[in-house]
Amino acid sequence: DGGITQSPKYLFRKEGQNVTLSCEQNLNHDAMYWYRQDPGQGLRLIYYSQIVNDFQKGDIAEGYSVSREKKESFPLTVTSAQKNPTAFYLCASRTSGASYNEQFFGPGTRLTVL
Amino acid sequence: AQKVTQAQTEISVVEKEDVTLDCVYETRDTTYYLFWYKQPPSGELVFLIRRNSFDEQNEISGRYSWNFQKSTSSFNFTITASQVVDSAVYFCALSALGGSTLGRLYFGRGTQLTVWP
Repeated sequence: DGGITQSPKYLFRKEGQNVTLSCEQNLNHDAMYWYRQDPGQGLRLIYYSQIVNDFQKGDIAEGYSVSREKKESFPLTVTSAQKNPTAFYLCASRTSGASYNEQFFGPGTRLTVL
Repeated sequence: AQKVTQAQTEISVVEKEDVTLDCVYETRDTTYYLFWYKQPPSGELVFLIRRNSFDEQNEISGRYSWNFQKSTSSFNFTITASQVVDSAVYFCALSALGGSTLGRLYFGRGTQLTVWP
């Protein structure tokens, strides 16, 4: 089945550690996105990528890094510079071009800093 | 700037009641798209509907209906005869061509709907 997978579902991190969240899609989508969701908040854009080997910062990129070496994969690294990383992280993808194409979302990763 | 406001943080209804979720948006673009997503307790966002700024026709899909009014910049979502399975967080989102990121979505804060049996 086509879709987006994110792993792990739950992730625990000690302060000062970097962690990488995985996002893979087999929908042949060009564009991929990372969002952060906090309780009672909407989704805030961290990074996005329109094509392979290219990505741009979103609204809250500080303390995060990404790579886009393959079309199918868009991993997100939460670095120790991120002051408050505990949140729910959602990855999404869509076909590029027309902005009316909806984004498809993965199941999310819940990150907790201990 | 693009902005979406969902003023209702939480709504509780009893099964079979009708419920309307409000969404107000702001954009200076003349071409834009509005979306509704459902987020069940599992966490994954599920796409429900897309509307473009040139199509104000209301839409009905089963128990779901959407009312788009450009005059009030609103895109409201009504669930008729609600069911327990409708319990979720519902997000309204906006995508505008004038944005720096083609296709990026601007989300409201979401409305938590709880349907009691």
